[in-house]
Amino acid sequence: KQEVTQIPAALSVPEGENLVLNCSFTDSAIYNLQWFRQDPGKGLTSLLLIQSSQREQTSGRLNASLDKSSGRSTLYIAASQPGDSATYLCAVIFGYGQNFVFGPGTRLSVLP
Amino acid sequence: NAGVTQTPKFQVLKTGQSMTLQCAQDMNHEYMSWYRQDPGMGLRLIHYSVGAGITDQGEVPNGYNVSRSTTEDFPLRLLSAAPSQTSVYFCASSYSPPRLAGIEGTQYFGPGTRLLVL
Repeated sequence: KQEVTQIPAALSVPEGENLVLNCSFTDSAIYNLQWFRQDPGKGLTSLLLIQSSQREQTSGRLNASLDKSSGRSTLYIAASQPGDSATYLCAVIFGYGQNFVFGPGTRLSVLP
Repeated sequence: NAGVTQTPKFQVLKTGQSMTLQCAQDMNHEYMSWYRQDPGMGLRLIHYSVGAGITDQGEVPNGYNVSRSTTEDFPLRLLSAAPSQTSVYFCASSYSPPRLAGIEGTQYFGPGTRLLVL
């Protein structure tokens, strides 16, 4: 079964730290991978999209990398801020699939 | 431009009751979908639609019905609610299916409906 996992389930860091969130997927034949942010009581917001042919994407303080051979993606957040506190979800489109398979998310708390 | 709207925000049902979760978008998106989110699990796709009159099943369709009579609306029906359907439900829309990368495939999510079935 094609699955997406994210470890840890929760992470708490002091403001200003650089941090890495992890996403693992069971099948290396992916089409693309997307990172989302979810704020409490709200829907998801797209952060970064990585095509299967790409190794990384950057947007501001965020950098997402993709290593298909090892079945992993990482989301790097530089100089974290309290406003970064949210749940971060990884979603993968496998092979010829049309829709995302979501990971369970990592709940991030950045402490002032 | 209201984006994706969902009603109600919160609902309590008794086992066996029926209800409809409403989803509407004003962005002229062809693709719409319903997900459920449970603790410790990722969002799971229930049903999706690639345009008016066309719907298909996702990963967890049992117990749910959908129809798409207009581009704007994509209601989700629970015919006989069960405690296992207690969850948070999200509707999403985009110009194209998520597989199509870039702006066209970017999904916009509603704020969610929290459903409790007793």
